[in-house]
Formats: sequence, structure tokens, C-alpha cells
Amino acid sequence: NAGVMQNPRHLVRRRGQEARLRCSPMKGHSHVYWYRQLPEEGLKFMVYLQKENIIDESGMPKERFSAEFPKEGPSILRIQQVVRGDSAAYFCASSPPTGTSGRKTQYFGPGTRLLVL
Amino acid sequence: SQKIEQNSEALNIQEGKTATLTCNYTNYSPAYLQWYRQDPGRGPVFLLLIRENEKEKRKERLKVTFDTTLKQSLFHITASQPADSATYLCALDWGAGNMLTFGGGTRLMVKP
Repeated sequence: NAGVMQNPRHLVRRRGQEARLRCSPMKGHSHVYWYRQLPEEGLKFMVYLQKENIIDESGMPKERFSAEFPKEGPSILRIQQVVRGDSAAYFCASSPPTGTSGRKTQYFGPGTRLLVL
Repeated sequence: SQKIEQNSEALNIQEGKTATLTCNYTNYSPAYLQWYRQDPGRGPVFLLLIRENEKEKRKERLKVTFDTTLKQSLFHITASQPADSATYLCALDWGAGNMLTFGGGTRLMVKP
């Protein structure tokens, strides 16, 4: 069973460009979470999604950031008009559906390291 | 607002000794508390979960305690090995929405 997949692993963008980060959850997992880790800081929750629904986006910046988890395909975290302060590691995690054992455990991907020049 | 404090200074110990890491939080106690390991350049890896009604949880050389009165969790690694060197993160989970709130992590260095 493959783990959580994220791509690209490294992404370089110039200020003003768009960044698209992809996350494929573990097989059988229907819950996806995105976290951001700034240099020398802890992981900060951004958004929690289930298929075709945003459940909690309380940690997402109001502007330029959006996330989706379509019925088919990976979850996408999109950052428009990137700025240098967006440089960070972005981690995706997934967990099984509600009611199955291990719901509270989140399995993390390897992260995407975004560098904005 | 909820705060989670882990010792930001690195913990250096000798191989074979027991490492003890601390996680303190303010305000409300979570339904669950989790511990993760993170190696440089990689994503966190789940280690242990403890529920608010559990005092202690063990897994091989790992032990976690959860004291809701002190608002503190302790994470112990017995018979530590150089391979245990990593950053250890505690995370609070209130059970609603399954959002995790992470502490800043403590870096553990085990010297041979």
C-alpha cells in the first residue's frame, strides 16, 4: 500500500507566479489535510477536505490560497501570485473515513518545498 | 488562544540513556494527544496516540503519559540509540474535524 504521495517535491517560482501542489492520499483514505511548515517553525494547519467538500479552512489565508479535492484525482493546493513569504514546506496528510479504526491517525506525505525567488 | 510548548532547545543524550521530551499546553485539554517523529527533509511519522482518559501508553521502547491536570504530556524513549535522533512533535487533537495542532518540536540528538 503506497503512502501519501506529493508532487512536486521541490518547486521554484518567481514572485507573482502560481504554484500548484498535488497530493494523492493513501488508498482507502477519504480525508485530506494540508499543513504548512515555515523555516524554523512548527506545522500549521491550513485546510481539511473530503471528496468534493472543504470541511475546515480556518487555517487558510483568505487571499491567494485555495484547495480542492475532486471526486477523481489528487487534492490540489493552489497559491496564486506567490510572494517570498510563501516559501515553506507544504505537507499533505490523509486519514481513513470516519468510523474505521485509526481515524485519528494522520499519515503524512514527504512534502513539497516551495521556494519563491 | 491555545498554546503548545515543546522545548525548542535540542536535547543531547548518551546512547543507552532514557530521553524524556515534554509537551505543555494551555487552556482546554484535547480528546487525544499524538506524538510524531520528523527527520530532516521528510514528513512527520506517527508514533503514538493517547486518549484523555488514558494515563500512559507504551509501544516497544516508547512511552507516553498524559496528565490533563498538569496539561502536560511526556514522551520517553528508553535505551536510546543514535537512530532515534530526530525532531519529535506533539500534536493536540480535539476530535472535532480531526485538525491537529502541532507544537514546535524538540530536536533529540543521541550520541554514541
